[in-house]
Amino acid sequence: GESVGLHLPTLSVQEGDNSIINCAYSNSASDYFIWYKQESGKGPQFIIDIRSNMDKRQGQRVTVLLNKTVKHLSLQIAATQPGDSAVYFCAERGGSARQLTFGSGTQLTVLP
Amino acid sequence: SQTIHQWPATLVQPVGSPLSLECTVEGTSNPNLYWYRQAAGRGLQLLFYSVGIGQISSEVPQNLSASRPQDRQFILSSKKLLLSDSGFYLCAWSASLDTQYFGPGTRLTVL
Repeated sequence: GESVGLHLPTLSVQEGDNSIINCAYSNSASDYFIWYKQESGKGPQFIIDIRSNMDKRQGQRVTVLLNKTVKHLSLQIAATQPGDSAVYFCAERGGSARQLTFGSGTQLTVLP
Repeated sequence: SQTIHQWPATLVQPVGSPLSLECTVEGTSNPNLYWYRQAAGRGLQLLFYSVGIGQISSEVPQNLSASRPQDRQFILSSKKLLLSDSGFYLCAWSASLDTQYFGPGTRLTVL
């Protein structure tokens, strides 16, 4: 079946450095992608989204890159801060499907 | 602005007892509503979704059920809880088929 996976389960970065979190997807019909941030004990929080007709989108300190050729999605966080420590999930919507498919998440730890 | 509420925040229940988790959304009309379960260290598993009052779609066979008695109310229930029902239950809403916004979650422990 279709799946969304993450390359690394954990990522540690120094405060102030840039973070890159990767995600691979297998459904070539996926047309919409989202990144969520989940802090411990809380619900996932929307960060940024991108549609398949784009390859880059920027938000405040975050950038999402989409490479449809290799079915790869990445989230870049600039000047990582301690408050960025959380689990980050990617999610994709496969074509006409109503539901999102979520990856298992990457734990980002920001070191002082 | 839209807000989504879930209660209770935490719940400890014995095996075989019933369950009722409630989710309500404010600030929007006719939302799509979703129930997810998240096991420790795992991703999100879609349990149910609803596109309108009384319309429920089940994604995973289990001893859980869902109901939508009002436009902005979504309830997750069980008649008899199993140990495997323990987890973090998340409700979400969306205005379309795109972005879903999540509630704060309910931590359920079945003993």
